Amino acid sequence: KAGVTQTPRYLIKTRGQQVTLSCSPISGHRSVSWYQQTPGQGLQFLFEYFSETQRNKGNFPGRFSGRQFSNSRSEMNVSTLELGDSALYLCASSLGGTSGYEQYFGPGTRLTVT
Amino acid sequence: GENVEQHPSTLSVQEGDSAVIKCTYSDSASNYFPWYKQELGKGPQLIIDIRSNVGEKKDQRIAVTLNKTAKHFSLHITETQPEDSAVYFCAAYGSSNTGKLIFGQGTTLQVKP
Repeated sequence: KAGVTQTPRYLIKTRGQQVTLSCSPISGHRSVSWYQQTPGQGLQFLFEYFSETQRNKGNFPGRFSGRQFSNSRSEMNVSTLELGDSALYLCASSLGGTSGYEQYFGPGTRLTVT
Repeated sequence: GENVEQHPSTLSVQEGDSAVIKCTYSDSASNYFPWYKQELGKGPQLIIDIRSNVGEKKDQRIAVTLNKTAKHFSLHITETQPEDSAVYFCAAYGSSNTGKLIFGQGTTLQVKP
């Protein structure tokens, strides 16, 4: 079975721009969670989608948004980029539900904001 | 609020020795505790996990223990090898907080040959 894939792997953007990151979950997984990883704050939860619905959201500003498609693929968008948004963005997929807590991570997208 | 404390932040051992990493969680509703290994340039890899109805779980050289009363859980690696060198993260999950893992700050493990 193929693992979680994320595209692109690397991005360089300028302050004020917007960016869209993509995540393809493991086949059969319906839940996708997004995390931001930085040296200072560690791994922080952004949001989770299941069957195209956002079920949970972390403590991030409204500039961070996401969506999920009918094939479970997910995208996250960051608008009006700030220098502090530079981070590794990780998505994780799981079956969802009480029998599918295990989250499997992709390799991440390294975003640099200049 | 929700919090997971992880210690130590760095750990250096000789090849063949054991390594222990400890975590404490705050949310008593947490019922699932995974451990991840992250190598440079890669995403976190799930290496072992435990649910709240189990006290201990072992997979070859890796074991995890859980003390629900004290809200502690630990990762034990025996017979360490240089390829075990990586950053290890503990996490806690509560079924009422869907899809959200609360991570510890990470432990950088160095295994010296």
